[in-house]
Amino acid sequence: GDSVTQTEGQVTVSESKSLIINCTYSATSIGYPNLFWYVRYPGEGLQLLLKVITAGQKGSSRGFEATYNKEATSFHLQKASVQESDSAVYYCALSESNMGYKLTFGTGTSLLVDP
Amino acid sequence: NSKVIQTPRYLVKGQGQKAKMRCIPEKGHPVVFWYQQNKNNEFKFLINFQNQEVLQQIDMTEKRFSAECPSNSPCSLEIQSSEAGDSALYLCASSPTGDSDYTFGSGTRLLVI
Repeated sequence: GDSVTQTEGQVTVSESKSLIINCTYSATSIGYPNLFWYVRYPGEGLQLLLKVITAGQKGSSRGFEATYNKEATSFHLQKASVQESDSAVYYCALSESNMGYKLTFGTGTSLLVDP
Repeated sequence: NSKVIQTPRYLVKGQGQKAKMRCIPEKGHPVVFWYQQNKNNEFKFLINFQNQEVLQQIDMTEKRFSAECPSNSPCSLEIQSSEAGDSALYLCASSPTGDSDYTFGSGTRLLVI
């Protein structure tokens, strides 16, 4: 079945420094899955950060970017300069049409930004 | 604030007891998904609906869980006989179409003691 692997555990970054959270995926269909980054801020529900449905395209939101790399089957999340308010848990996910668009999630990466 | 409303926020049940949780999807979203997130942060798809019809469900859901999305009433997920391994965060999500962006609720955290 489908699977998503992302940077495990907690990542600590100083404010204004750059961030990368790695994500690689394995999809069962021969087509291209839809790729997502979701975020859960402390005390809040899971919300969509960005998504890309076309291979080779880049998605961006709130200063975060991720590029759909079908050759490397990767969808790494990057930000040039993090802020304390970015502290949250980030989840990489994919969905496929032949799987009824169910989301397959990674296990999350907890980002702590040091002020 | 989430537009998908899940209740209760927390639920504590003894083993063997029924556990029921509810979800009001975002207005205009006929597609509803239920996921389970365990203590290891692993997500498991449970079941999804389009309007009142079940689209897909996993084996576990078919046997021990019951779920419905009646018209004009909240969707619900009920565990018939709770087990310790059911302790998890249960997330409801809705979407205008199956391939569109989901809106997630804040979840119901179930503890089975």
